[in-house]
Parts: sequence; C-alpha cells; structure tokens
Amino acid sequence: DAGVTQSPTHLIKTRGQQVTLRCSPKSGHDTVSWYQQALGQGPQFIFQYYEEEERQRGNFPDRFSGHQFPNYSSELNVNALLLGDSALYLCASSLIANYGYTFGSGTRLTVV
Amino acid sequence: AQKVTQAQTEISVVEKEDVTLDCVYETRDTTYYLFWYKQPPSGELVFLIRRNSFDEQNEISGRYSWNFQKSTSSFNFTITASQVVDSAVYFCALSEGGRSNDYKLSFGAGTTVTVRA
Repeated sequence: DAGVTQSPTHLIKTRGQQVTLRCSPKSGHDTVSWYQQALGQGPQFIFQYYEEEERQRGNFPDRFSGHQFPNYSSELNVNALLLGDSALYLCASSLIANYGYTFGSGTRLTVV
Repeated sequence: AQKVTQAQTEISVVEKEDVTLDCVYETRDTTYYLFWYKQPPSGELVFLIRRNSFDEQNEISGRYSWNFQKSTSSFNFTITASQVVDSAVYFCALSEGGRSNDYKLSFGAGTTVTVRA
C-alpha cells in the first residue's frame, strides 16, 4: 500500500521564479494538506484541500496557491520565489480530518 | 499565540535509558486531538499516537507510553528502554476540530532526541 508520494524530492530555483510541487495521497485518502518546514522548526500549515476546493488556509501570502484534482492528487504552486521560501514542503493526506495524517517525505526547495 | 509548546530543545541519552518528552498545549475548544510524530533524518513525519480530548486514559504501546492530563494541558510522551533507532526529532501537534472546524495540525518546535550506543 503506497503511502504519500511527493515529487520532486529536491529542487533548486532562483529568486523570482515559480515552482510547482506535486503530491499523491495515500490510497483511500481524499484530503490533502500542505506544510512548510523551515530548518530547525516545526511544520507550518499552508492549506488543505478537500473535494477539489481549498477548505482551510494558514497565514501564507497569495503567492502560495494550490489545486486538487479529481483523483485527489494535489499541487502546490509558489510564485515570485523569495530566499525565505527555502524549506522542506510536506504533503499530508487523510480520510477523516483529525483521525491522523500520513505524511510524505517532502520536497526540499532551495531558493538561490 | 503558540498553541503547542515543547520546552525541551534537545535530549541526549544512553541506550536503554527512558526518555520523556514534554508537551503543553493551548486551546479553547472542548473537542480537540493531540498527536505525536517522529521525524527521522529522511524527513518523513511518522505518526506515533493520537488522543482525543475526551479520552484521558493513558496507555502503553510497546515501548511508547503517554500521559495526557487535561487539568495541566499536557500530553507527555515516553520512550522506554531507548534504542539508537529512536534518534529523531519528535513533534507534538494539536488539531482543533469541534465547532471551529479547524482541521490543521499546529506543531510544536520539536525535541531532538539523540540515543548514544
């Protein structure tokens, strides 16, 4: 049973560029959440998608946007990259909110 | 305001010692959920335990046990007879469901556990 799959695993981008990160949820899960984890800190909630709509959003600027597809997979897009966007981006999936989230291994984004 | 506080930044123990990780949370909801996750160097957050606010029964699962006390808003986690493979960053997290429909996980800053052979 495949868990949460994220791609790519590592990415290097230049300031001002745009990036798209991808996530396939665990089989049977219909909800996808995205988190940003800066070095040495706990993950911070970006947003959550359910039924192809953004259900909840954290304190992140509009440069961060997302999408959920009919097969429940999801994308995270970040525009106009800043150096401070360098972080590990984690995707988490669940079937019923609060029953536990399964996390992927993340995408390590470095902005130079 | 920080909703989850993990006061211990780092803990270093020798193999077979017990390790207790402290977690204090803050919420106004009566229905909420508490979690512990482990993050090894690979980066993936591994689910360990989940507790809802209506169940204060403390349990033991293998080498893991937890102490949930609503009166002090604490949700502490213990690893008994630690092993080198337990070395990781451990995160306590809170999800406020209930009427607020707040589905996100609010994480603490994490505690780095190093188990020496």
